[in-house]
Amino acid sequence: DAGVTQSPTHLIKTRGQHVTLRCSPISGHKSVSWYQQVLGQGPQFIFQYYEKEERGRGNFPDRFSARQFPNYSSELNVNALLLGDSALYLCASSFSLGGNQETQYFGPGTRLLVL
Amino acid sequence: RKEVEQDPGPFNVPEGATVAFNCTYSNSASQSFFWYRQDCRKEPKLLMSVYSSGNEDGRFTAQLNRASQYISLLIRDSKLSDSATYLCAVEAGTALIFGKGTTLSVSS
Repeated sequence: DAGVTQSPTHLIKTRGQHVTLRCSPISGHKSVSWYQQVLGQGPQFIFQYYEKEERGRGNFPDRFSARQFPNYSSELNVNALLLGDSALYLCASSFSLGGNQETQYFGPGTRLLVL
Repeated sequence: RKEVEQDPGPFNVPEGATVAFNCTYSNSASQSFFWYRQDCRKEPKLLMSVYSSGNEDGRFTAQLNRASQYISLLIRDSKLSDSATYLCAVEAGTALIFGKGTTLSVSS
């Protein structure tokens, strides 16, 4: 079975541009979460979507937005890119909303470099 | 106090050594706990879920102490292939809160 897939794998943008990152969850999983991981840090929670609705949001500015589609795939959008947005963006899939040892499985990530 | 804190690294150990990592968390309402392994420039991969009674998977043992709000990971008989960063993750509602990770380097 395919795991979580993300595209693109790498991306280079300049300050002020916007970017769209894509994620397809594991088949049968209905929840997608997005995380940002900067070098030397653990992943930081950005959003969780379940059944196409936002169910959780981390401490990120409004420049970050996301959505989930009827097939449970998801997009993360970042507007007005800053140098500090350079990071590995990870998508995680889980069957439901979490809790009770619900495991999140991570995709390979999109490595974003903002120049 | 940070939400999730891990032992600072790196841990440099010889093959065959036993090494233990600790992780403390601040949210006493958290119910689920995990250890992930992350190789350089790769995604985190689930190593173990941590159950309240403690659990073991081969050379790996995870324990949870709710009273003191910490979890631990013990690796016995370290292998070269165990070299990686180990991330502690604590459930907080719909999110996982991660520590910064502890880097393990196993040498021959």
